[in-house]
Amino acid sequence: EPEVTQTPSHQVTQMGQEVILRCVPISNHLYFYWYRQILGQKVEFLVSFYNNEISEKSEIFDDQFSVERPDGSNFTLKIRSTKLEDSAMYFCASKGGGDSSYNEQFFGPGTRLTVL
Amino acid sequence: KNEVEQSPQNLTAQEGEFITINCSYSVGISALHWLQQHPGGGIVSLFMLSSGKKKHGRLIATINIQEKHSSLHITASHPRDSAVYICAVRLEPGNQFYFGTGTSLTVIP
Repeated sequence: EPEVTQTPSHQVTQMGQEVILRCVPISNHLYFYWYRQILGQKVEFLVSFYNNEISEKSEIFDDQFSVERPDGSNFTLKIRSTKLEDSAMYFCASKGGGDSSYNEQFFGPGTRLTVL
Repeated sequence: KNEVEQSPQNLTAQEGEFITINCSYSVGISALHWLQQHPGGGIVSLFMLSSGKKKHGRLIATINIQEKHSSLHITASHPRDSAVYICAVRLEPGNQFYFGTGTSLTVIP
């Protein structure tokens, strides 16, 4: 069964460093998402991506964040200069095309980011 | 402010019990998702609803658009159902999602 994969599973970085979190969505999916979940808190939407551009982003997704689909398979989230409060689990998700309201999202296993 | 409210926050049930988890929302939506998050953190999509009712095995999800309310029911609960159940809504218009804080379910053998 196709699945969304994410690497690395755990990333430890120093405050101020840049990190890139990688996701490989399901191959025929067209909509891609990043979410984060700070430990003990609810999942929060960061950004949605369709047709090689951001379709929606939340207030959390400020200038420190960027997303890219550098080739036909990867979908990346870059944090330019990490802060302590960026420590969280980051989930990637993808969804098929067609009428987007009626397709379910498939979630990756997450990348746990720890900023020291 | 919480656009999505879930109740209860925590729920303990005996194996075999019928379980109901509720979700209320205050915004216009195009779809509502029920998700299951396992203790290891992984998230699985259970249902995506825009109207009516859906059933997968022992799980049933309903939504009342007028009342802005959805319920997730689990029949004949089992210890392997123990997880956090999360309600998430897709805003209309657009492609942004709001999540509830989740309901932590523990089913005791």
